[in-house]
Amino acid sequence: KNQVEQSPQSLIILEGKNCTLQCNYTVSPFSNLRWYKQDTGRGPVSLTIMTFSENTKSNGRYTATLDADTKQSSLHITASQLSDSASYICVVSAYTSGTYKYIFGTGTRLKVLA
Amino acid sequence: NAGVTQTPKFQVLKTGQSMTLQCAQDMNHEYMSWYRQDPGMGLRLIHYSVGAGITDQGEVPNGYNVSRSTTEDFPLRLLSAAPSQTSVYFCASSYSERTGTAAFFGQGTRLTVV
Repeated sequence: KNQVEQSPQSLIILEGKNCTLQCNYTVSPFSNLRWYKQDTGRGPVSLTIMTFSENTKSNGRYTATLDADTKQSSLHITASQLSDSASYICVVSAYTSGTYKYIFGTGTRLKVLA
Repeated sequence: NAGVTQTPKFQVLKTGQSMTLQCAQDMNHEYMSWYRQDPGMGLRLIHYSVGAGITDQGEVPNGYNVSRSTTEDFPLRLLSAAPSQTSVYFCASSYSERTGTAAFFGQGTRLTVV
């Protein structure tokens, strides 16, 4: 069964600290993996997208890694800011029978405290 | 550049009523989709469209209809609202299905069915 599991479910850190969010998936055949940031009451915003051959992708203070062998991805946030408080969603897509299927994780809720 | 615009932002319906959630994008994207987001669950795909005149069912299509008469608009119709349809609905678009998961999301419509 295609699944995307994220950990931790929630996380609280102090401003200026780094953190790493995890995403494990059992999606096949793998097409790509995307990380989204979703502020409360808003729609998700894409941070990074990685294909099978990419193992690192950065977007400012956000760095995503992908290990296609172990089917794991992580999102590292450097020097956190209050504005990083949000939910972070991992989405894996599979291409099968001529269509794309998107499997969403339930997200990690990050709270950054001053 | 408005991106993806959803209306209304909030709606309360009585059981059995029908309504249409509007979605419009101004980026000339071919691929558009509708998701629902419920607490503790990942976003789930309701319906999607790969171009004007072409729609298909997603993971949870029952109780919803869509049409795509133009590239810009992709309305979602609730035929006979039920309390189980209480959710936050997101419309999304991307240049093509081949870019993977939807790249741009609307702000969402919070629907309550009483």
